[in-house]
Amino acid sequence: AQTVTQSQPEMSVQEAETVTLSCTYDTSENNYYLFWYKQPPSRQMILVIRQEAYKQQNATENRFSVNFQKAAKSFSLKISDSQLGDTAMYFCAFTNRDDKIIFGKGTRLHILP
Amino acid sequence: DTAVSQTPKYLVTQMGNDKSIKCEQNLGHDTMYWYKQDSKKFLKIMFSYNNKELIINETVPNRFSPKSPDKAHLNLHINSLELGDSAVYFCASSLAGAPKGNEQFFGPGTRLTVL
Repeated sequence: AQTVTQSQPEMSVQEAETVTLSCTYDTSENNYYLFWYKQPPSRQMILVIRQEAYKQQNATENRFSVNFQKAAKSFSLKISDSQLGDTAMYFCAFTNRDDKIIFGKGTRLHILP
Repeated sequence: DTAVSQTPKYLVTQMGNDKSIKCEQNLGHDTMYWYKQDSKKFLKIMFSYNNKELIINETVPNRFSPKSPDKAHLNLHINSLELGDSAVYFCASSLAGAPKGNEQFFGPGTRLTVL
């Protein structure tokens, strides 16, 4: 069965620091996609970044970047120069040809002023 | 303009009642989904529809019945509500489904409280 594991239930960092959120997954598939979604207190789910497994280059979106290690089945999210607005739940997610997104249990991130 | 909208945003009801949550997307997407987020924030897919056809049904009790009158709408009807149904329900949509790795756009969620 495919699973997504986020080992950090909660984290806190000071504003402007860099923080890395961990995610590992388990699959026997070779082609799949990985996502990080953000859920701020407003409850809205927002896509942060997306990675295609067949692409070796790590995805980057402004202050957000990933470290994708396919062999290790690891997909961590790095937030640089963290801002107060980054405070949210972050969900790592996986999808493949089954047309089903599997979410991790989330990491609650607090950015402290 | 709201891309994926859900109504109502909050729903408080008594155990045993029947209720519906409506979802509409104006993105022209082919695939729509329902997710349940429990009190521990765990998000799990319930159903997905592609062009009005059921694609995924994740061992959800048959008290839950999705209905898709057209590809822009996917409503969720729940019969005989139970305390354990209390959760936030999210509707989402994507273009051509998840296998192509397309982003899913989520609605604002409906917080259902069963008393």
